[in-house]
Amino acid sequence: QKEVEQNSGPLSVPEGAIASLNCTYSDRGSQSFFWYRQYSGKSPELIMFIYSNGDKEDGRFTAQLNKASQYVSLLIRDSQPSDSATYLCAVNGDNFNKFYFGSGTKLNVKP
Amino acid sequence: NAGVTQTPKFQVLKTGQSMTLQCAQDMNHNSMYWYRQDPGMGLRLIYYSASEGTTDKGEVPNGYNVSRLNKREFSLRLESAAPSQTSVYFCASSDPGQGSNEQFFGPGTRLTVL
Repeated sequence: QKEVEQNSGPLSVPEGAIASLNCTYSDRGSQSFFWYRQYSGKSPELIMFIYSNGDKEDGRFTAQLNKASQYVSLLIRDSQPSDSATYLCAVNGDNFNKFYFGSGTKLNVKP
Repeated sequence: NAGVTQTPKFQVLKTGQSMTLQCAQDMNHNSMYWYRQDPGMGLRLIYYSASEGTTDKGEVPNGYNVSRLNKREFSLRLESAAPSQTSVYFCASSDPGQGSNEQFFGPGTRLTVL
């Protein structure tokens, strides 16, 4: 059983602060890591993906991967109320068609 | 360019009834997926299709069948619906040969089994 764990939250941060979302995974063979954002009642949409150890930045978003410790995180700088959503972590390994999702962390950004 | 479309958007079934959820994509993707999402849980893979003519089981395939009709269409069938199959069903597509292997999701089908 491949497991992907996330704190369900809610994580509440004030507008303009940094939101830090974390995800751990059980399968050491995992190769690709994804962060999806899902607004209530909507479908998930990709925010970031990362393959290599270290940091990857895209605008206000930074994904961090540490394969030795088996965790991946997402930092959102200058958080906005529009960032309020559930963030899903997803992982896949040798089989690029099998994705394993965490249960998601609900983020609330307060104006 | 519609992306991934799903029909129907909502459905109510009685226990034992059957139905087929339809999914189509216009992005020329090779891979297609069916997921279910239950409250407080992430997406769980039901079945996937890596290419036209092939299908494989995911984490939770019991009670479902799928058909990859052609490259565009991937349907999910419930032969005898059960209350445990009440969920939101998402279809997705991706192209593993193209960089990120980003999955594009349809709008979802909200299914209630009474």
